[in-house]
Amino acid sequence: AQKITQTQPGMFVQEKEAVTLDCTYDTSDPSYGLFWYKQPSSGEMIFLIYQGSYDQQNATEGRYSLNFQKARKSANLVISASQLGDSAMYFCAMRELTGGGNKLTFGTGTQLKVEL
Amino acid sequence: DTAVSQTPKYLVTQMGNDKSIKCEQNLGHDTMYWYKQDSKKFLKIMFSYNNKELIINETVPNRFSPKSPDKAHLNLHINSLELGDSAVYFCASSSTAAGGGQFFGPGTRLTVL
Repeated sequence: AQKITQTQPGMFVQEKEAVTLDCTYDTSDPSYGLFWYKQPSSGEMIFLIYQGSYDQQNATEGRYSLNFQKARKSANLVISASQLGDSAMYFCAMRELTGGGNKLTFGTGTQLKVEL
Repeated sequence: DTAVSQTPKYLVTQMGNDKSIKCEQNLGHDTMYWYKQDSKKFLKIMFSYNNKELIINETVPNRFSPKSPDKAHLNLHINSLELGDSAVYFCASSSTAAGGGQFFGPGTRLTVL
């Protein structure tokens, strides 16, 4: 089974609107972390937001928030007030803390395009 | 002020050659990684080093040999390059003491002709 599933290969959103990028995960490890990264066309990987499996509250970083639903094993990224510069590929990733060796397992990504 | 740096940014070479990619981090992290991003943008871990010790080797061909001279550096040497090695290689680092993200270098685009 895929450990990280991103079912939206591409998404469009209008400028200033909010958008949700989906991510579901699969693990039996009780301790894990969930991450979102942004990869613009220039190619670098930009760390956006982190959620730990024991965190009680959803993580937020500026316009980014992570909608963490542990029972459903989902970790959706919400971008509020989209900007043209948000157009990029977005990757969800998981780190399993017990025996995972700190490696990140990535989803296949969602290509987001922000339109005027 | 670069946190994780890689050289070179682009590498074009012939099949059969040997090449190296260098990585350095100035974040004081104790763990460093190499990831490979293929042509479909899929990212996969290759190696991880913690305090200069190899802790992850994800069934990478032994033509790939990482070397960590100290905690701040993790280099990747590739022997006998093949067409299928063409990809973007990312170095990353993190701190095991704290939660939080891995920080990636700018990537090295390797093209094997």
